[in-house]
Formats: sequence, structure tokens, C-alpha cells
Amino acid sequence: GENVEQHPSTLSVQEGDSAVIKCTYSDSASNYFPWYKQELGKRPQLIIDIRSNVGEKKDQRIAVTLNKTAKHFSLHITETQPEDSAVYFCAASSPTGNQFYFGTGTSLTVIP
Amino acid sequence: NAGVTQTPKFQVLKTGQSMTLQCAQDMNHEYMSWYRQDPGMGLRLIHYSVGAGITDQGEVPNGYNVSRSTTEDFPLRLLLAAPSQTSVYFCASRKRTGNTEAFFGQGTRLTVV
Repeated sequence: GENVEQHPSTLSVQEGDSAVIKCTYSDSASNYFPWYKQELGKRPQLIIDIRSNVGEKKDQRIAVTLNKTAKHFSLHITETQPEDSAVYFCAASSPTGNQFYFGTGTSLTVIP
Repeated sequence: NAGVTQTPKFQVLKTGQSMTLQCAQDMNHEYMSWYRQDPGMGLRLIHYSVGAGITDQGEVPNGYNVSRSTTEDFPLRLLLAAPSQTSVYFCASRKRTGNTEAFFGQGTRLTVV
């Protein structure tokens, strides 16, 4: 099956700085890559996603880039704010779309 | 819409006991799944269903059973609880067609002693 690796496991940034989280995947047939944010004690919620026919997608302060050749994708958060502090998970779908394979998560702390 | 509802929120079991985690969704989603979340290991798929009457195994299915008799409900059963099943469990649902957002329930924190 798919193997998704996520780095770093923890990340601390000063408020206003940028944060970058990177993921790699193993199955070149994977075609959908969502990112989820999980606040402490809460459920994961989708923040952005990208499909394999797109190289970059942006939504306000959040962007995701995908490099299919290298099989890696990254989450970029600009102008970080304390409310961005959470655990972020990347995921890759199986080619059928029936299974999501999640990374191990990145705990982001934004220091005021 | 309530979205995805899980019950209970917390549960303590003794080794060898059995229980069912309930999951219901009111979005008419075809696809439902169960994940377990352990520290440092992310979310791992236990079982999933692409529609009523159809279930399949995920990455970590051992020790768990599921059934899908209706579109709305997807219960997860632990037949003989073991301490290794101590975890936070999340149910999720999404539309089957295409790759779409997964909506998660609020989670069940299970402790097996």
C-alpha cells in the first residue's frame, strides 16, 4: 500500500513568520492529496487539498504545492497567527479513492 | 445537518470485554470509514465501506468488525478488547464519487485496562 512520510514532527515559528510542512508518498498512482488540521481535543478538518493534475493551489494564507515527479507535496502557511497552532496531517488517496493514507502529523506552535 | 456523530465520547473497557462504537451521518454519503489515532502514528484506517452492504479492510483491521446495513450507520465492534486497542477512534464519511473532503466525527477515546 501507499506510504506517506511527513516532516517535521514538530515546528515552532514566531507569529508572522512562514511555516512549511513536507510530505512524500510512494505510490505514483495516488491522485488526491488533502491536508487536515486538528486542534487539541478536536476532530481533523480539511484545510486545503490538491489533485494530481494541479501543481499548486492557494487559499488566502495557505498554499499547497505538488511535485508528481519527485512524489512530494508541501503545505505553506504564511503570516502565521497563534490560532494556526495545531497538528497538521497530510494524506494521499489510493488510486481508487477508497483509502486515505495519512502522514504521522506535524505539531505546529506559533509563538506570539 | 448534524454531520458525523459518534458515541460514546469516552469509554473504559476491561481486557476481554466487547463493545460497539456507533457512527451515524446525515449527509447521505456513500463512503464511511473508521480510523484509529495513536501518538506519533497519525490516523490509520481500520475498515471502510463504499455503500450499504459493502465493507472492506484497511491497514489495521485485526480485532475489529464492521457492518453497513444502512447508508447512515457504520458501527465498529471490538469483540475481545485488548490493551493494544487503547486509542482515539474517528469515524469519517464522504461522497464516494471522485476524491472529496472527509468529514470526521468528534472521536471516541477508548481505554482498555
